[in-house]
Amino acid sequence: EIVLTQSPGTLSLSPGERATLSCRASQSVSSSYLAWYQQKPGQAPRLLIYGASSRATGIPDRFSGSGSGTDFTLTISRLEPEDFAVYYCQQYGSSPTFGGGTKVEIK
Amino acid sequence: QVQLVESGGGLVKPGGSLRLSCAASGFTFSDYYMSWIRQAPGKGLEWVSYISSSSSYTNYADSVKGRFTISRDNAKNSLYLQMNSLRAEDTAVYYCARDPPPYSSTRLPYFDYWGQGTLVTVSS
Repeated sequence: EIVLTQSPGTLSLSPGERATLSCRASQSVSSSYLAWYQQKPGQAPRLLIYGASSRATGIPDRFSGSGSGTDFTLTISRLEPEDFAVYYCQQYGSSPTFGGGTKVEIK
Repeated sequence: QVQLVESGGGLVKPGGSLRLSCAASGFTFSDYYMSWIRQAPGKGLEWVSYISSSSSYTNYADSVKGRFTISRDNAKNSLYLQMNSLRAEDTAVYYCARDPPPYSSTRLPYFDYWGQGTLVTVSS
């Protein structure tokens, strides 16, 4: 099983700032089969990024994904008020696993 | 628009059974692989099971293998999860989710649409 470790656990930032979230895999993720999701309290997760860097339908371009192998990054270029949430990475090159999440909170 | 609506959750005793349903609309259900994912209260996400569009392929997380069974009825646009021998650690919100194409033998599921979830509580 591929273990995904997300860091930091919590990111305290102000609206307008840049957020950089990390997802590290215990072994290489084949074909960059890595997705990112956003989850707000009481809601289902929403797909942001798939294939490590492709934005899902309707996702604003302030969200971008990068990386390959074992190291992946989600960047939010300028935080909007609605972006404060928990973010999960997920690999799907083998039996699907999720990272533990990064909470982006208002500073 | 794509809609996934889960039902069937509730309180069940350890060792009991429950059957979850997911009603799909707004897309051609029979063209898509589907999955169940769960989230224990205050915890992260755990993939549970997936099924191919024609039910030819299924797969399960080790934590539920032999206890849970995924199925679908394409005529009814519905996905199911039969859960037997339930344990306290199965307590979670259960989401059904859609896996978009293209599909291949080397790619496992990711999820472009999710339902709102149904809560399963296993407790005596």
